[in-house]
Formats: sequence, structure tokens, C-alpha cells
Amino acid sequence: QKEVEQNSGPLSVPEGAIASLNCTYSDRGSQSFFWYRQYSGKSPELIMSIYSNGDKEDGRFTAQLNKASQYVSLLIRDSQPSDSATYLCAIEKDQGGKLIFGQGTELSVKP
Amino acid sequence: GAVVSQHPSRVICKSGTSVKIECRSLDFQATTMFWYRQFPKKSLMLMATSNEGSKATYEQGVEKDKFLINHASLTLSTLTVTSAHPEDSSFYICSARQWNEAFFGQGTRLTVV
Repeated sequence: QKEVEQNSGPLSVPEGAIASLNCTYSDRGSQSFFWYRQYSGKSPELIMSIYSNGDKEDGRFTAQLNKASQYVSLLIRDSQPSDSATYLCAIEKDQGGKLIFGQGTELSVKP
Repeated sequence: GAVVSQHPSRVICKSGTSVKIECRSLDFQATTMFWYRQFPKKSLMLMATSNEGSKATYEQGVEKDKFLINHASLTLSTLTVTSAHPEDSSFYICSARQWNEAFFGQGTRLTVV
């Protein structure tokens, strides 16, 4: 079982719709969770971090964490073509700063 | 936010040669940096943890003699790919942590011909 799993997609949504990205993880001891966006040929950039159960909102982005279900998601409201990218879910391993990434979900927002 | 600079951004080398990639934290000190490798359409795979003033910690399956890591100062870590082969062609990315956030370098696209 992979430590972090995501649907690879591609996920296609129309402009203005809500994009929903999902991620599950295997280590129940994980405390820190991150969503990164990666454009082709570029390095990842942090979108959201979440540490507690529940929702965390930042602009058009909402991260949701459910530790009991070992599940973390990212919602993107009012999706824009510029949101088209690969979204990587990551957990921090051993609280030492090491990040373990999922395989990424490719999102395509159609105008 | 903090800035991590990686150099070079692209390098092409011949099989059998060695390539050095630098990762610098520009506005903060980083006692620990991380090196990742990413193949096309794949996720980032952690290769090793670079520790300032001590030996790097390598992930399982990563050859430490092939991927030499040196972290000689609080702002610089280097990754040297020794005796490179075409299968080493990949996107190499470093990161450093400040507060509770990882900051990534721009990445290095290595092509071994």
C-alpha cells in the first residue's frame, strides 16, 4: 500500500465549477498535510497546509482533513483555466520535514 | 516567503561524467535540506535528507555512492550525480524548511546522453 494515494486523473471541469481532489494516507500518526500545485516543468508551490480535523479555507481553496478516515481533500471553487496543473498531496513523515507525496492529480479546467 | 535557489536549471551531460547541482537557501539558514527526484508524469520521490555538518540520510533504494550529497554550510547543499547514465535523466528538486513550510528550489532538469 502506498503511503499517500491520489487519483491520477486527469480530472476535467468546466470554468467556474468546483474541482474536488482527494487523497488518502496510510500512516495514522501523520500530523501535517499539504497540498501543492505543480505546473509542467516547474517545482511545486504550496497551496494549503492543514493540521487539524475539519475544514480550512483560503480564498477559493478549501482543504478538508479527516484523520479518522485518513483522508484529506482539496476543493477549488470557481475554477479557472489557470488552475490547470497537477495537484500533489503530501504528508510530513516523522515530523522531521520529510515530505511523502502522492502521485498527483492532473486537473484541467476548460474555458 | 523564504527563497530556495537551485542551480543549474538545466544540464546535459555525457554518460559517465559527473554533474553537481547546488541548492541554496537565500534568506534563511537551513540545517536540513531535502533532495527529490521526479520522473515524467510521476510524483516527487524523496532521495535523501541533507544534514549540515554530517552525513546525508538516504532513502531505501538510493545509492549513496552514486548520489553524493554535501551540506558544508547552513545555506548550501550540493548533490553530485556520479558516473551518470541515461536512466539518471530526471528532474531533481531540493527543498528547505522554514517554520513549518517546505520551500522548493526551481528544479534541475538533467539529461544524460
